[in-house]
Amino acid sequence: VQLVQSGAEVKKPGESLKISCKGSGYSFNNYWIGWVRQMPGKGLEWMGIIYPGDSDTRYSPSFQGHVTISADKSISTAYLQWSSLKASDTGMYYCARQSGAGGYLYYPMDVWGKGTTVTVSS
Amino acid sequence: EIWLTQSPATLSLSPGERATLSCWASQSVTSSYLAWYQQKPGQAPRLLIYGASSRATGIPDRFSGSGSGTDFTLTISRLEPEDFAVYYCQQYGGSPWTFGQGTKVGIK
Repeated sequence: VQLVQSGAEVKKPGESLKISCKGSGYSFNNYWIGWVRQMPGKGLEWMGIIYPGDSDTRYSPSFQGHVTISADKSISTAYLQWSSLKASDTGMYYCARQSGAGGYLYYPMDVWGKGTTVTVSS
Repeated sequence: EIWLTQSPATLSLSPGERATLSCWASQSVTSSYLAWYQQKPGQAPRLLIYGASSRATGIPDRFSGSGSGTDFTLTISRLEPEDFAVYYCQQYGGSPWTFGQGTKVGIK
């Protein structure tokens, strides 16, 4: 069971970006996938989650409207995207699987990707 | 939104000592849906404890969790060199899920 994230990105403010998280070794459609931000030298922030089976998505109010979480179950991949990056989006972004199968929402995150570093600078 | 406050921010201990980390929630955590994660520099977090007191797969029994409602504790009975890291609590009982700010366990 693993989640493989896309590589590091360097972008300018105002640019768009889509990073990915590909699951393997388990039934991708049946487990919620979440995204977690870690700004440089700071703690973990939960951004939102998606259920690939039906694309049901929940966002933290802190990130709602600024990012979009999506998934393509045909290729077992979840995405996190921005339409207009800000310097404050600089950080490490982790995807993580919630541990229970099925649509029940309340599980911890048991499998983590290695993270994608996003740097936004003019 | 449930806010989680961890204490202390930093803990300086020697190998072999006992570590006690606290996590307080701003409101009761539904069904003790409280997890603890360990993060080492340059690595992704690792799930240690879920449901407040259940160890995740492969986690040594020197790690234990306890608590309910708004007060939770992670105890490391005897610190091993590999245990020096940052520890985060997380509640996953109500959206948005939230993390505490972390406790760094450093070598004294």
